Parts: sequence; structure tokens; C-alpha cells
Amino acid sequence: GAVVSQHPSRVICKSGTSVKIECRSLDFQATTMFWYRQFPKQSLMLMATSNEGSKATYEQGVEKDKFLINHASLTLSTLTVTSAHPEDSSFYICSAQGGGKFSNQPQHFGDGTRLSIL
Amino acid sequence: AQKVTQAQTEISVVEKEDVTLDCVYETRDTTYYLFWYKQPPSGELVFLIRRNSFDEQNEISGRYSWNFQKSTSSFNFTITASQVVDSAVYFCALMDTGRRALTFGSGTRLQVQP
Repeated sequence: GAVVSQHPSRVICKSGTSVKIECRSLDFQATTMFWYRQFPKQSLMLMATSNEGSKATYEQGVEKDKFLINHASLTLSTLTVTSAHPEDSSFYICSAQGGGKFSNQPQHFGDGTRLSIL
Repeated sequence: AQKVTQAQTEISVVEKEDVTLDCVYETRDTTYYLFWYKQPPSGELVFLIRRNSFDEQNEISGRYSWNFQKSTSSFNFTITASQVVDSAVYFCALMDTGRRALTFGSGTRLQVQP
């Protein structure tokens, strides 16, 4: 079964709306979570890395005020797309990495969120 | 900087043909991991394999096999006797042990025709 749950799977909303995407690790503690973005027919690009209890590290070119990331617990990270516009429409996917003895395990990916801004 | 190159944008084969997906990577790290993921039209990423940089043994899993050649920085993926259900986008990815984020290739879209 899924070890990382991402919700919602699909969002359609009006321009100017803020959208929150949740990423939960179901049966392990995720010390690190990663957020990726995928435009249609393109590759996945890392947006940011979040470690539990600390500020996220954003990749160059990713607006931290536009994409707010919170990793308040070892099982939950959220990505909020603030005041979304059509150019923010994309597929967003998270992955979670366990800590300690699980740090060498492959990352587990959520099923992704398809965001469409009208 | 790390880089993963999948030169084949799209491949089309007929069912039962063998197909090899190429992956070439660049990294300055001596310790790293290589991955292959399958992304069907529904969008989720399906983990296929992870290989660490110290293990150059080839691996076979059913119809899937992987050839890791450190000398040429390649990690190629072969599907034997392809099936329609293999149709998907396949991504090769590289992870350094420091940052642990994945650097993905641009993906290869495989279409298997019946």
C-alpha cells in the first residue's frame, strides 16, 4: 500500500486562490520531504527541500513567498501555492525520506497533485 | 553540478520486442545512487530500481534488466519482450548522498504497440 499520501490529487480553481497541498508519510517518520514540479511532458524539477522543524531550502528560481512550505511534524509537510495564477498550473509531487536507519532507503513518492488555475 | 541525460525522447516498439532506454549521468560525487522510475499516464511515480555507485553488478528482475557502467557513466534499462502495459514515461534519476534530492533526466516516453 501507499506509504506516502498526497492530497488533493486534483485541484481546479480560480486565479488568485491559494491552494494547500498535503504530503503525509503513513508508516514512517519523514525527516526530510522534497517537493517537485512537473510541467506537461517535461521532467520533474526539485522546488524545495524541507526538514522537520526548520525552514525549507528552496532551489534557485523558486519564489519562497509564492510557494510556502511547512514541515511541522515528522509525518506532514504542506505546500501552499499563494495567489495562484494560470502559470502555476502544473503537477506537484512530494517525496519523503526517513531518517536514521531508514536514511538509505529509497524515497517514497506521493501520487501527485494536478493543479489547474483558470 | 549533477546532470542526467536521457537522449531518447520517445521510443515506439511493437509488443514482444526488446527495448533499451539509455541514461547517462554526470556527478563529481564518489558516492551516489541511481534510480529508474516509471510514470504511467495517471502520473504517479513507480519505483523500479536503485543502484549505489559501488555496486556495478547488473541486475535482472523479471523482464527488466539494468546495466550500470561506471566507466561510461551510464545506467541503461532494458525491457525484454515488451508488453502494452509497459507504455509509460521512464525517468532515470541521480541522488547524491549529501543533499538526497533527486536529479531527474528528461524522461523517455515508451509506446508499446499491440
